[in-house]
Amino acid sequence: AQRVTQPEKLLSVFKGAPVELKCNYSYSGSPELFWYVQYSRQRLQLLLRHISRESIKGFTADLNKGETSFHLKKPFAQEEDSAMYYCALRHSGYSTLTFGKGTMLLVSP
Amino acid sequence: DADVTQTPRNRITKTGKRIMLECSQTKGHDRMYWYRQDPGLGLRLIYYSFDVKDINKGEISDGYSVSRQAQAKFSLSLESAIPNQTALYFCATSKGQNTGELFFGEGSRLTVL
Repeated sequence: AQRVTQPEKLLSVFKGAPVELKCNYSYSGSPELFWYVQYSRQRLQLLLRHISRESIKGFTADLNKGETSFHLKKPFAQEEDSAMYYCALRHSGYSTLTFGKGTMLLVSP
Repeated sequence: DADVTQTPRNRITKTGKRIMLECSQTKGHDRMYWYRQDPGLGLRLIYYSFDVKDINKGEISDGYSVSRQAQAKFSLSLESAIPNQTALYFCATSKGQNTGELFFGEGSRLTVL
C-alpha cells in the first residue's frame, strides 16, 4: 500500500532561517510526488510537483528514490510562508492522490 | 472565473440526521473528488468520480454515499450522521489528463452533535 509520512506536525522557524519540511513515502512502483499548500483562509492548492523540477515561491523539492523522500526546502523563510503543507503521492496511472498528515509551518518575525 | 463551489459552507446537525453536501464546478473537469480533513489526520479520500457514470470508493467511504448528477455536480451524503463525521469536507476536481493537480473548493465544515 502506498503511504506518505510527514513526521513533523509543526515546524516553527524565524524569518530568514532555512526551512526543510520532511516527506517520506512508501510505494513499490514509480511514484509521482507533489506538495500542496493551504494558506490561512485560502484554498488548498498545488505548490509543486517533482516531475516539473521547478522552484515555486523559492521552494524546491527533490525526489530521492533511494531514501524514498521528497523533502520541501527553502533557503530563507518568509512570514508569508506560514501555512499548512501537505505532501502527496500518486500511483502512476491513477489520478487519486494519497496525502500525508500535513506539517504546519510557522515563520516568526 | 472558473471555480469549484461547495454548499453549505457550514452546517451543524444532530446525530442520525441525513446531510447532503453539494459541489459544483465550472472548470469543465471530468474528475471530481470528496476529501475529508481532520486535524492530525490530514486529507483522506472518501469517494471519487472520473465521469458521470463512474463512482469509486476511497479509503474512508463507510457511512457516506455520493451522486454524480452531471459533469459539473458531485454530491456527498451522510445517510445517518454520527459525531465522528464532524470534519472539514473538501470537494476537488481535476482534468481528464493525468496531471495530478487537484483544484479544491473552499470546504464545508460539518459539525454533528
